[in-house]
Amino acid sequence: QSALTQPASVSGSPGQSITISCTGTSSDVGGYNYVSWYQQHPGKAPKLMIYEVSNRPSGVSNRFSGSKSGNTASLTISGLQAEDEADYYCSSYTSSSTLKVFGTGTKVTVL
Amino acid sequence: QVQLVQSGAEVKKPGSSVKVSCKASGGTFSSYAISWVRQAPGQGLEWMGGIIPIFGTANYAQKFQGRVTITADESTSTAYMELSSLRSEDTAVYYCARAGWTAVAGTHYYYYMDVWGKGTTVTVSS
Repeated sequence: QSALTQPASVSGSPGQSITISCTGTSSDVGGYNYVSWYQQHPGKAPKLMIYEVSNRPSGVSNRFSGSKSGNTASLTISGLQAEDEADYYCSSYTSSSTLKVFGTGTKVTVL
Repeated sequence: QVQLVQSGAEVKKPGSSVKVSCKASGGTFSSYAISWVRQAPGQGLEWMGGIIPIFGTANYAQKFQGRVTITADESTSTAYMELSSLRSEDTAVYYCARAGWTAVAGTHYYYYMDVWGKGTTVTVSS
């Protein structure tokens, strides 16, 4: 089971919106609405930002939103802020024996 | 608010085993699952397996089948991850995380990790 494919880096200026893609297959992203997104600052544990494609946990800013089309899920960050600079990982349930697969990770830079 | 407190850093020899603990502080596991995720230096996240304590059985990623054992003690709200036959490639930070879960098919579950421990560094070196 290969990792889900994410762009290595995405950047934007404060206040702008950016979108991170996460491409899988019909065995994972495309087959189920079981996609999550995690934010990780350097040296810290990951933080859940989105679950089940588009649900935000309590306490997560509504500037973060998730969606899915076919085999590709997306995380959009609107009103980009300096504190959003971090690594972001998507994750999906997979029907393969791996059961859960993460994306390759995307480094978000706020210019 | 529940916090997950993990055991301290470990240095192990190749071929040996390591057992990492994860205790829920300020709460219990309740009906949540516990997942284990590792991150090698400079690398991404890798899911190892998970357990739903009220059911007692664990799911493992195929890559770790036969080498990892995940258990949970509801009476002490503590979960454990034991990894055997260690090799240098197992050097990583190991995270436990509380997870919401949904049954997908049979004993397959979707986990989404909403509370994370700070991580335990395991170094495998001769």
